[in-house]
Amino acid sequence: DVKVTQSSRYLVKRTGEKVFLECVQDMDHENMFWYRQDPGLGLRLIYFSYDVKMKEKGDIPEGYSVSREKKERFSLILESASTNQTSMYLCASSSPGFRGNQPQHFGDGTRLSIL
Amino acid sequence: AQSVTQLDSHVSVSEGTPVLLRCNYSSSYSPSLFWYVQHPNKGLQLLLKYTSAATLVKGINGFEAEFKKSETSFHLTKPSAHMSDAAEYFCVVMGLGGFKTIFGAGTRLFVKA
Repeated sequence: DVKVTQSSRYLVKRTGEKVFLECVQDMDHENMFWYRQDPGLGLRLIYFSYDVKMKEKGDIPEGYSVSREKKERFSLILESASTNQTSMYLCASSSPGFRGNQPQHFGDGTRLSIL
Repeated sequence: AQSVTQLDSHVSVSEGTPVLLRCNYSSSYSPSLFWYVQHPNKGLQLLLKYTSAATLVKGINGFEAEFKKSETSFHLTKPSAHMSDAAEYFCVVMGLGGFKTIFGAGTRLFVKA
């Protein structure tokens, strides 16, 4: 089974702090994704990566950056945390597959609170 | 352009009765479609996927879904609900290349004893 591991289940940080959310997958997947999930807004894509050192902006990249130095690890960075970034953050990975349509596999999420 | 609509935000059933969660999609080409389940404070777990093979797709935990191109639907069903099925369910359509993924708004399933 694919295993996507997010480093923290719950995290509390203060406004203005630099925050790192880490995600590791064990299936040698090329694609990795970061989403945030908010009540009434569903899942929104922040960034994704299709290879080491490659990244693409999703629908809501403002206030975030990402890093992918190794294939198995994809980090989400909040440069200066703000209260409106309080949310559930979900990491996912997938292989390109034939026609590229392979399912994404998700971690258990990090519930981040910014005070 | 692609889109996905889950027709019910909440569904309530009694334990042992059938489950029907409805999903309609829009796509300019033959889509790949998925159903995921999310239990409280957990990530999304893949239930089943349709990728242009058999139109009736069987998934885990007794769930199945039928792809109906003429109705642009991909409804999720289960013959007999169990208390452990109470969760939120997401219908998902994926674009070519696997990068543009559209998530439905979700349907919360309640199961009464």
